[in-house]
Amino acid sequence: DTAVSQTPKYLVTQMGNDKSIKCEQNLGHDTMYWYKQDSKKFLKIMFSYNNKELIINETVPNRFSPKSPDKAHLNLHINSLELGDSAVYFCASSHGQGDGYTFGSGTRLTVV
Amino acid sequence: GQQVMQIPQYQHVQEGEDFTTYCNSSTTLSNIQWYKQRPGGHPVFLIQLVKSGEVKKQKRLTFQFGEAKKNSSLHITATQTTDVGTYFCAGGTSYGKLTFGQGTILTVHP
Repeated sequence: DTAVSQTPKYLVTQMGNDKSIKCEQNLGHDTMYWYKQDSKKFLKIMFSYNNKELIINETVPNRFSPKSPDKAHLNLHINSLELGDSAVYFCASSHGQGDGYTFGSGTRLTVV
Repeated sequence: GQQVMQIPQYQHVQEGEDFTTYCNSSTTLSNIQWYKQRPGGHPVFLIQLVKSGEVKKQKRLTFQFGEAKKNSSLHITATQTTDVGTYFCAGGTSYGKLTFGQGTILTVHP
């Protein structure tokens, strides 16, 4: 069973479109995250939710909106996609805020 | 804000050579975590260090946390081709935020 699953794995879309990435974890973890990994491999935190509540919201354009319907799911919706949004987006979860993260396999987003 | 710097950015070694990557934080950390990301893969949690001066080993991997809890290192003895990937440190604060270093990309030539 996949612990943290993200869909889709690949996403190619045109500038200006709106897209969503879904994430689900079956580990019973309380905290979930979205990270963006750019072409230089740098991992940057975007959002963090603890039991459906937003606890970290880094300086991310408000075109990005996370939604957590329950503590096992954290989805990411992106409006008006731009070329600079092209990256790999990783969902992750942890038992608590100070514990090791389990990452999903990533979603490679390409905006053309 | 908190910064975590990791060096070197790249390291090329011959199989059998040792490898070390270093991590430095601009602030005192509550913990340091290490992750490995294989090419095309996702980061995988390796270990967490919490105590000042702590040293932990996993087979050929040795992890250290500095006395001041601001730096850390990962040392691999006698590298193998299966060690290739990007190694990330990540510094944790008392309020739960984890900041990743830039990563060290390790290539191992057979």
